[in-house]
Amino acid sequence: NAGVTQTPKFRVLKTGQSMTLLCAQDMNHEYMYWYRQDPGMGLRLIHYSVGEGTTAKGEVPDGYNVSRLKKQNFLLGLESAAPSQTSVYFCASSSTSGSDEQYFGPGTRLTVT
Amino acid sequence: AQSVTQLDSQVPVFEEAPVELRCNYSSSVSVYLFWYVQYPNQGLQLLLKYLSGSTLVESINGFEAEFNKSQTSFHLRKPSVHISDTAEYFCAVYAGGTSYGKLTFGQGTILTVHP
Repeated sequence: NAGVTQTPKFRVLKTGQSMTLLCAQDMNHEYMYWYRQDPGMGLRLIHYSVGEGTTAKGEVPDGYNVSRLKKQNFLLGLESAAPSQTSVYFCASSSTSGSDEQYFGPGTRLTVT
Repeated sequence: AQSVTQLDSQVPVFEEAPVELRCNYSSSVSVYLFWYVQYPNQGLQLLLKYLSGSTLVESINGFEAEFNKSQTSFHLRKPSVHISDTAEYFCAVYAGGTSYGKLTFGQGTILTVHP
């Protein structure tokens, strides 16, 4: 099993450009999450999904959109990138039990200039 | 709402010394507690978790954490650290109910083990 994979691993964007980050999991998990990690701020939840076709806002959703058309995939979009979105982005997935762990992808390092 | 505070942003120690990484949380409901570890340039991995029962939980690589309800703490300890323990450690809480598995993370503690 590959677990949780993310593409791309690195990306540099200019202000105003758009991009989509792809997350895929092969564990048949219902729940999926997108986080951003910034120094000294831990991980903050951007959006999450509790099943195919559903999405919901997390703690810091502004400037991002998501879609979950297939159970195994969770896409994070930036329509008009800003320097404040320079960060490391992590995708995670979990079963429907809160006592189970979240499984994390390797991350995408995004720089917006 | 829940919040998590990790009291030390960086902890430098020498190899074979003991270490404690501190975590305090606040919540109006019962929570599950987790410690995750992030090695350089990798994603997070679960280190250990407290769900219920014994307040002392252990990981397979020698870390342990103790849930203290009265002090709302979940400090992580290891009696003798190795160079390979160098990583960033995150404390997290899950409030249950309709939280849909969502975790609230602390700010992280960078543990650096020196030879």
